[in-house]
Amino acid sequence: DTEVTQTPKHLVMGMTNKKSLKCEQHMGHRAMYWYKQKAKKPPELMFVYSYEKLSINESVPSRFSPECPNSSLLNLHLHALQPEDSALYLCASSPDFETQYFGPGTRLLVL
Amino acid sequence: EDQVTQSPEALRLQEGESSSLNCSYTVSGLRGLFWYRQDPGKGPEFLFTLYSAGEEKEKERLKATLTKKESFLHITAPKPEDSATYLCAVRASYQKVTFGTGTKLQVIP
Repeated sequence: DTEVTQTPKHLVMGMTNKKSLKCEQHMGHRAMYWYKQKAKKPPELMFVYSYEKLSINESVPSRFSPECPNSSLLNLHLHALQPEDSALYLCASSPDFETQYFGPGTRLLVL
Repeated sequence: EDQVTQSPEALRLQEGESSSLNCSYTVSGLRGLFWYRQDPGKGPEFLFTLYSAGEEKEKERLKATLTKKESFLHITAPKPEDSATYLCAVRASYQKVTFGTGTKLQVIP
């Protein structure tokens, strides 16, 4: 099973809302990633978790807060987002910090 | 700084018309080059990993090759279902990969 799941598939939120994105993998992968992807652009790395610990934060604004409760689960907590944060948010996992397996993404719209 | 450039930006082919996509890179110490396929509104789907110059990988109508400066994704006799954006990525540093901007392929029946 090489599946990474993400929920919800779509999310609409106001600028004052608090919401969370969820990502799950049951492949025993040691690395998990959050990416942001705008239309017609490549995925842009946000965070990397290595063995459940945050190892890379690509200078992401504090309104995005990642959390890794266990080795299978990765959350991205959202608060006070801006309309320009609207994008496809992708989660990925990797067994070896090389090949990454992506989830289907959460399409986020901030109004 | 690692750089990945893909060309062309877009490619339109007739069904059965073979072609190649290019990924040129500038990194200090390549630790892996990856090809992904992405359909609109979906996550990238892993295709290949290449590690060293001269290496080749094949999957159905796709073949990826690697030199010291670039990689090619050859598409032989493409079908409409091969239409997608193809992303190239490189890994030079531990844990982080850099993506190119992709080539959008359209195969016309």
